Amino acid sequence: SSELTQDPAVSVALGQTVRITCQGDSLRSNYASWYQQKAGQAPVLVMYGKNNRPSGIPDRISGSSSGSTASLTITGAQAEDEAEYYCNSRSSSGTQVLFGGGTKLTVL
Amino acid sequence: QVQLLESGGGVVQPGGSLRLSCAASGFIFNNYGMHWVRQAPGKELEWVGFSRFDGSKESYRDSVKGRFTLSRDNSKNTLFLQMNSLRAEDTAVYYCVKDVQVAPTAMGFAYDLWGQGTVVIVSS
Repeated sequence: SSELTQDPAVSVALGQTVRITCQGDSLRSNYASWYQQKAGQAPVLVMYGKNNRPSGIPDRISGSSSGSTASLTITGAQAEDEAEYYCNSRSSSGTQVLFGGGTKLTVL
Repeated sequence: QVQLLESGGGVVQPGGSLRLSCAASGFIFNNYGMHWVRQAPGKELEWVGFSRFDGSKESYRDSVKGRFTLSRDNSKNTLFLQMNSLRAEDTAVYYCVKDVQVAPTAMGFAYDLWGQGTVVIVSS
């Protein structure tokens, strides 16, 4: 079982805003990173650090954090945003890396 | 071209061994921490282990400690994962991944480059 908890599935209407959350004690002392994975493909980093977006990631994707919860927000969701989203972080001890269980995002 | 290319996967019996390789190109390999991440069929991503940019330190998830060994050859831009005493639960796609930060002092967890993955199946 993962020490970072994500909702298994979330849905959003096309063009609306959706927030995907990640909860865990390690997030009190570490930022989360976020990955998008589409079926049959390797994951892609979409957000890391305080609010850093890698080159090529649209600015409708943003990140935030409060206490033990990190969030990934997609503003104006598009059909191509439909994917599995994973968070990860360093463990509280700093010796391991944790992944969340993933959230399947469906764009209706 | 910036890429990671894994090889060495295959089918192995429980208790057997495999050595995975990851050939890096298009970036200064010895500036970056490297990791292996795996994904069992239909399951979530799972961090396996880490190699510090200079090869001076490795870290592993608890379930593979004592069985798996990470190493790297910075002269050949290659990362390795030696897997011994393999178990059915090690069956997964194994990804080689690169830290986003240059020469970090702490183990990174933001991976901006992923290989295509190599499949490991442990079965009798």
